[in-house]
Amino acid sequence: NAGVTQTPKFQVLKTGQSMTLQCAQDMNHNSMYWYRQDPGMGLRLIYYSASEGTTDKGEVPNGYNVSRLNKREFSLRLESAAPSQTSVYFCASSGGQGAYEKLFFGSGTQLSVL
Amino acid sequence: GDSVTQMEGPVTLSEEAFLTINCTYTATGYPSLFWYVQYPGEGLQLLLKATKADDKGSNKGFEATYRKETTSFHLEKGSVQVSDSAVYFCALEDDYKLSFGAGTTVTVRA
Repeated sequence: NAGVTQTPKFQVLKTGQSMTLQCAQDMNHNSMYWYRQDPGMGLRLIYYSASEGTTDKGEVPNGYNVSRLNKREFSLRLESAAPSQTSVYFCASSGGQGAYEKLFFGSGTQLSVL
Repeated sequence: GDSVTQMEGPVTLSEEAFLTINCTYTATGYPSLFWYVQYPGEGLQLLLKATKADDKGSNKGFEATYRKETTSFHLEKGSVQVSDSAVYFCALEDDYKLSFGAGTTVTVRA
């Protein structure tokens, strides 16, 4: 039972570099989410996809783009990384928008931007 | 907007001690409330939930009661174990949006 799989687990970037965080789920969930976790601030929603083919901004979308490639995959892209994007990133999925009692998280990507 | 406030950590306890983590919320509607737990090196996982006032959520010896009059959802466990060492997040869901508290780090020592 893989659940939600994120890659990579760790990444170091220089300011201005780009990268894509990959996320895939094997639970046939409709909704997928990208969060960032910063000390003292809990988790903040970056983008979400309520269903295949749709994406919407969350609380902190600036500097990020997303792609819902298919029902399984939801990627997060940093076009020009900044030190303020140093964080731990979590992908999550659920059976439907608002179905947070069945929200499953990946194990996270620790990103450092120098 | 909706928000959740948790007691600041870190919290360090001895095994078999009583644990309380305070959580209060602000919401315009009638939110569902959750506690999530994050073990070292892992993603968050749902610990318990309550969907309406006076509901009590419970799991793995943890309990929390939805108190509308005090807008609170405090997490309690009567006797903690070393394996309970983790970060605990209070969260609320209202209008399909989930808002998290800042998290409380709990360390239980043998």
